[in-house]
Amino acid sequence: GDSVTQMEGPVTLSEEAFLTINCTYTATGYPSLFWYVQYPGEGLQLLLKATKADDKGSNKGFEATYRKETTSFHLEKGSVQVSDSAVYFCALTNTGTASKLTFGTGTRLQVTL
Amino acid sequence: DAEITQSPRHKITETGRQVTLACHQTWNHNNMFWYRQDLGHGLRLIHYSYGVQDTNKGEVSDGYSVSRSNTEDLPLTLESAASSQTSVYFCASSDGTAYGYTFGSGTRLTVV
Repeated sequence: GDSVTQMEGPVTLSEEAFLTINCTYTATGYPSLFWYVQYPGEGLQLLLKATKADDKGSNKGFEATYRKETTSFHLEKGSVQVSDSAVYFCALTNTGTASKLTFGTGTRLQVTL
Repeated sequence: DAEITQSPRHKITETGRQVTLACHQTWNHNNMFWYRQDLGHGLRLIHYSYGVQDTNKGEVSDGYSVSRSNTEDLPLTLESAASSQTSVYFCASSDGTAYGYTFGSGTRLTVV
């Protein structure tokens, strides 16, 4: 079945540092890929998405490129802020599974001054 | 504004008791989902529904049930609560594409 693998956390960075959170996936067909963010005490919010190979999703300074050749969708940000501290989830939905989302285990990011 | 609400936000219950968690959405979405979130597992799908009277099992459905009598609500019932069901539960709804997924704020359930 479909699966998503994320790097283990927590990731601790100083403010203005460069962020990469790795995500790889296993899926048949042509999945759509997503990054969700969960701030403390809240539900999940869609951060960005990509629906086909080589698409780049971007939002709030975060970016991720759908790489079919490496089955990856790594999340990057050039300069993190304390307010970016949250848990980040990589997820996919596949054409054969309607709108069900398959999630990775999540990566906690802590940004310090 | 449309929203999805879960209640209660926190609940403590005893082993063996029946517990129902509420989920109500005003998006008029046909698709609704229940996930549980546990450290090291991310979010795992419990049950889902694609419309009124439709319910389906997810990957971790044992010990849980749902019913869908209208578009707005998908209550999740733990038939006989177990300590292994201590978790944070999220409800979500969707317009049929993953782009339209909206999550509730979650219910933290503790079974003692």
